[in-house]
Amino acid sequence: AQSVTQPDIHITVSEGASLELRCNYSYGATPYLFWYVQSPGQGLQLLLKYFSGDTLVQGIKGFEAEFKRSQSSFNLRKPSVHWSDAAEYFCAVERGNRDDKIIFGKGTRLHILP
Amino acid sequence: NAGVTQTPKFRVLKTGQSMTLLCAQDMNHEYMYWYRQDPGMGLRLIHYSVGEGTTAKGEVPDGYNVSRLKKQNFLLGLESAAPSQTSVYFCASSQSSDTQYFGPGTRLTVL
Repeated sequence: AQSVTQPDIHITVSEGASLELRCNYSYGATPYLFWYVQSPGQGLQLLLKYFSGDTLVQGIKGFEAEFKRSQSSFNLRKPSVHWSDAAEYFCAVERGNRDDKIIFGKGTRLHILP
Repeated sequence: NAGVTQTPKFRVLKTGQSMTLLCAQDMNHEYMYWYRQDPGMGLRLIHYSVGEGTTAKGEVPDGYNVSRLKKQNFLLGLESAAPSQTSVYFCASSQSSDTQYFGPGTRLTVL
């Protein structure tokens, strides 16, 4: 069965510092990969997605993610975080078949120090 | 274009009471989903639908029922609420295997 692991429950970084959030998946083939962000009291919003092609994907709000097949990873990065980036981030995996579902990781909560 | 809306935003129930959560989307999406979000558990899929008149079970379907009589609406029902169903419920919609668009959530407390 496919699964998604986000090893870090909480991460704290200083404003202006770089960020990397880790995501590993378990699935035999290349799945569809997503990163979503959830601000407090809000629903989830898509940051970026990978279906195929270039393994470095650009998203909204200055985020990017890199798909590494050999490591089964899809880590999210941002070169310089802003206080408004404080939120919970979810990695998600989908096999891409009709009737299939997205599997979400348990999330990483990002805290920003002033 | 409102996207995905959920009604109500908050609700408090007593154990054994019933209620229905309404999700509506105006993007003409085929797929719709109901999730629950609990601390430390991420989002767990309750039920989903791949088209009008169809529904399927997700990861945690027990205690819930759903209906998709119209393409734009997806209803989640609790027939006999239990304290374990205290959670935040999110509805989402998508067009096939692509981006899911989420509603703002419904915070449900069962006493």
